[in-house]
Amino acid sequence: KQEVTQIPAALSVPEGENLVLNCSFTDSAIYNLQWFRQDPGKGLTSLLLIQSSQREQTSGRLNASLDKSSGRSTLYIAASQPGDSATYLCAVPRDGATNKLIFGTGTLLAVQP
Amino acid sequence: ETGVTQTPRHLVMGMTNKKSLKCEQHLGHNAMYWYKQSAKKPLELMFVYSLEERVENNSVPSRFSPECPNSSHLFLHLHTLQPEDSALYLCASSFHPTGSGNTIYFGEGSWLTVV
Repeated sequence: KQEVTQIPAALSVPEGENLVLNCSFTDSAIYNLQWFRQDPGKGLTSLLLIQSSQREQTSGRLNASLDKSSGRSTLYIAASQPGDSATYLCAVPRDGATNKLIFGTGTLLAVQP
Repeated sequence: ETGVTQTPRHLVMGMTNKKSLKCEQHLGHNAMYWYKQSAKKPLELMFVYSLEERVENNSVPSRFSPECPNSSHLFLHLHTLQPEDSALYLCASSFHPTGSGNTIYFGEGSWLTVV
């Protein structure tokens, strides 16, 4: 059974720092991996989707990498800003090319001005 | 605006009430989902409707009943709920199958409190 874990559970950094969030999964036979952002009391916003054949994806100050063989993904945030404060979640499909997703518990990020 | 609209945003109901959550998507997707987010637990998939076929998580109690009258609308009917059902219920939509790079779009969620 696929399990997704995220560490750390919470992270507080000063503005301007570069940071890395970690996601690990137990079954490496994934079709893709997605990173999401969730603001307090709100829904999820997709940040990056990495296909299983890709090693990384970039969007602005965000870079996500995927290492299927080791069951790991990282989300790198460059030059963090207070507006980056949110919960970051990673998720993998339960089966095949679907959005029946298994989520990690998330990392709560606070960027201090 | 994500293109997925959920109503109501907040709902308080007694354990003997019957209520419904509504979701509407304006993205032309052919799959819709209900996810449940409880405190300190990962998001959990409850139901999926794709191509008019329903797929469900077998661990979801029968007091939750989904309805998908068409590809743009999704309901979650609630009856005789328990306090532990209090959570954020998130609706989402996407294309199915996802193909290459087709991500999922979430609504803002409906906060449910069962008293």
